[in-house]
Amino acid sequence: DGGITQSPKYLFRKEGQNVTLSCEQNLNHDAMYWYRQDPGQGLRLIYYSQIVNDFQKGDIAEGYSVSREKKESFPLTVTSAQKNPTAFYLCASSPIGQGRSGELFFGEGSRLTVL
Amino acid sequence: AQTVTQSQPEMSVQEAETVTLSCTYDTSENNYYLFWYKQPPSRQMILVIRQEAYKQQNATENRFSVNFQKAAKSFSLKISDSQLGDTAMYFCAFMKHPSGGSNYKLTFGKGTLLTVNP
Repeated sequence: DGGITQSPKYLFRKEGQNVTLSCEQNLNHDAMYWYRQDPGQGLRLIYYSQIVNDFQKGDIAEGYSVSREKKESFPLTVTSAQKNPTAFYLCASSPIGQGRSGELFFGEGSRLTVL
Repeated sequence: AQTVTQSQPEMSVQEAETVTLSCTYDTSENNYYLFWYKQPPSRQMILVIRQEAYKQQNATENRFSVNFQKAAKSFSLKISDSQLGDTAMYFCAFMKHPSGGSNYKLTFGKGTLLTVNP
């Protein structure tokens, strides 16, 4: 079945450790996104990518890094520089053009807890 | 920068009744898209409805419809004949019209938690 797969679903990290969240899609979508969701804050954009080997910072990129080496994959690394990393992370993809721009397809999310 | 405001953090409605969720936005753009997304307790977010700003006709999807008031920068979601499965967090989102390869960035509001009561 086509869709977006995020892993792991739950992750615990000690302070000072980097951690990478995986996001894979088989929908052949050009655009991919990472959002952070905190209670009462809605979704805030961390990074997004519209094409392989290119990506742009979102509103809260500090302390995060991404790569887009393949169309299907957009991993997010939460570095030790991120001061408050405990959150729910959502990955999404979207077609570009075809009258469907902005129609995001979301993964099930990854819950990161820093101990 | 665009902002999206959902002024109702929580709402409730009785099953089979109608409820309207509010959304306002601020932009200097003339051409853009607006969306409502739904996040049920299972957490997977899905698109409910999409509106293109240049279209005057309000979008509808079965029991879901919008009231798009461009001059007032308002984009409310009406859910008719509410069902228990409509219980979810609802997010309003804005995207300016991409042109010349410019970005496809969505800005979300903080969400409205809707509870449908039996």
